[in-house]
Amino acid sequence: SQQGEEDPQALSIQEGENATMNCSYKTSINNLQWYRQNSGRGLVHLILIRSNEREKHSGRLRVTLDTSKKSSSLLITASRAADTASYFCATGAAWTTDSWGKLQFGAGTQVVVTP
Amino acid sequence: DTAVSQTPKYLVTQMGNDKSIKCEQNLGHDTMYWYKQDSKKFLKIMFSYNNKELIINETVPNRFSPKSPDKAHLNLHINSLELGDSAVYFCASSQDRLAGERAGELFFGEGSRLTVL
Repeated sequence: SQQGEEDPQALSIQEGENATMNCSYKTSINNLQWYRQNSGRGLVHLILIRSNEREKHSGRLRVTLDTSKKSSSLLITASRAADTASYFCATGAAWTTDSWGKLQFGAGTQVVVTP
Repeated sequence: DTAVSQTPKYLVTQMGNDKSIKCEQNLGHDTMYWYKQDSKKFLKIMFSYNNKELIINETVPNRFSPKSPDKAHLNLHINSLELGDSAVYFCASSQDRLAGERAGELFFGEGSRLTVL
């Protein structure tokens, strides 16, 4: 079953604006990750936040995690046309013999940034 | 240098045929995976191998058989292909928990688009 669900499913913004997308999940996690996928390409890792962290930054990216609400958000500031892609959240399980850090992905948010 | 490479990139075949997809990683990672992405872009884990041993097998039909000859390679063989097998198959690799900060971060290949006619 799907663990993470992104919201919104699609987002269209102008260059220079900020883009915010949310992810909700159902079970306890070890970490939560965000990935980007350009059309026809593989997924690229953006940022990882651990369950004991609340906020993390990487360049123009800001990720928050609220484990009490089982939700995360990804903010892309000052967006560029090159940010056009699908963005996926993925929840990471603990490193046990059963789950071995298994990542479960949501269905993604499709972001279009127009110049 | 491509970190995770998979071949072929495109595969078009008839129902009932058998096909294989190969994957290699040069990152020295311990764990490799196969994911399936359907037409709605939903990604689902199929298999995970750690140091050549099967760790995760997610209720995948036994027509799908992964094989890891060494920890740098993970191949996927599919027997008796069905229309519903049409998808993009992604290979990925990661370091395990011993990698500390980067444990669990996945590195993906470019995908193999399988079309079953």
